[in-house]
Amino acid sequence: NAGVTQTPKFQVLKTGQSMTLQCAQDMNHNSMYWYRQDPGMGLRLIYYSASEGTTDKGEVPNGYNVSRLNKREFSLRLESAAPSQTSVYFCASSETQGDSPLHFGNGTRLTVT
Amino acid sequence: GQQVMQIPQYQHVQEGEDFTTYCNSSTTLSNIQWYKQRPGGHPVFLIQLVKSGEVKKQKRLTFQFGEAKKNSSLHITATQTTDVGTYFCAGRRGGKLIFGQGTELSVKP
Repeated sequence: NAGVTQTPKFQVLKTGQSMTLQCAQDMNHNSMYWYRQDPGMGLRLIYYSASEGTTDKGEVPNGYNVSRLNKREFSLRLESAAPSQTSVYFCASSETQGDSPLHFGNGTRLTVT
Repeated sequence: GQQVMQIPQYQHVQEGEDFTTYCNSSTTLSNIQWYKQRPGGHPVFLIQLVKSGEVKKQKRLTFQFGEAKKNSSLHITATQTTDVGTYFCAGRRGGKLIFGQGTELSVKP
């Protein structure tokens, strides 16, 4: 039982390059989330998916797109990376959107030069 | 902008001292969750508070939810080196779970 798995763990991109961060959970959770973590800013919600087939914007969605591929997988895409997107990205899942706690993956450390 | 404010941002204590972090929201929250993130790790769920005025304890940790459901606190009694990390509150408003900036706790042995 792996929980929430994120790939890759580290990535360096040049400005303008694109990439997709992958996330999969094996807990049969309905809701999935993408957060970014920057020093002094805490965790900021980029996008979330309350259930399979739905996605919604969070606090900081600009420059990102997401796909809820199926119940297990929720990917985050950067179409044209910018240095401001240098951050640690965490994927999380929860049983439902309501009172359920979030289970986080180990994170992806992304640097954009 | 950040709608859940957490203070202080950093706290350095001597082992054995107490520690408190505070979380405030400008609007009423349906519930509040607390997470701990060890250095280099990912956030791990600690507890959830739902009721107005609720108080919950986990060993040396005491969590409170304010009467107006707009503020919360985490108090650690007699800190240990294993308490080192960043503590986050997260308030649920609608479908979104909004995190505070976190309080980074360091403990000097």
